[in-house]
Amino acid sequence: AQSVTQLDSQVPVFEEAPVELRCNYSSSVSVYLFWYVQYPNQGLQLLLKYLSGSTLVESINGFEAEFNKSQTSFHLRKPSVHISDTAEYFCAVSPGYSSASKIIFGSGTRLSIRP
Amino acid sequence: NAGVTQTPKFQVLKTGQSMTLQCAQDMNHNSMYWYRQDPGMGLRLIYYSASEGTTDKGEVPNGYNVSRLNKREFSLRLESAAPSQTSVYFCASSREGAATEAFFGQGTRLTVV
Repeated sequence: AQSVTQLDSQVPVFEEAPVELRCNYSSSVSVYLFWYVQYPNQGLQLLLKYLSGSTLVESINGFEAEFNKSQTSFHLRKPSVHISDTAEYFCAVSPGYSSASKIIFGSGTRLSIRP
Repeated sequence: NAGVTQTPKFQVLKTGQSMTLQCAQDMNHNSMYWYRQDPGMGLRLIYYSASEGTTDKGEVPNGYNVSRLNKREFSLRLESAAPSQTSVYFCASSREGAATEAFFGQGTRLTVV
């Protein structure tokens, strides 16, 4: 079975400051890893994912995450945040084969941006 | 571009009442999911359907039943609602399992009194 731990329930940062949202996972098999974002009163949207290949993956709005197998981590980073990044961010994991259907989510990290 | 549509958006039930949450997707996806979201607990998988005609239990299936009516529709039924089922429910779909992007509906906010 897989599990996900997001170590911070809330992360407040100032606008234009860097941010890191931490995610650790547990699994006895290879995994796919995801970050989803939820803006207020909306459903979740995929931000980025790691399936295989390069361990550094990027999103179109400046976020990046690095898969670290030895530390079983998939931390999300952005060098300079904007007010529009205010949202809740969820790390998720699934078994690492294409037919797998179970996606397990972490408890979420609420990112609040101060002007 | 409807994507994943959930109905209703809001619902208040009395303890013991039953109801069905409806979900439909127009993206020709094979896999569909039902999650509940509770503060501090993230999203927990209730049931999922890897393909039309199949359903499987997730992390928290007790008190719920599902029906994959056809490829488009995946409904969630509460037979006898309990206050512990007060939550926000999300339906999602993906093309072929977890490796492909999951698309979420807007959610149903359910309160059981």
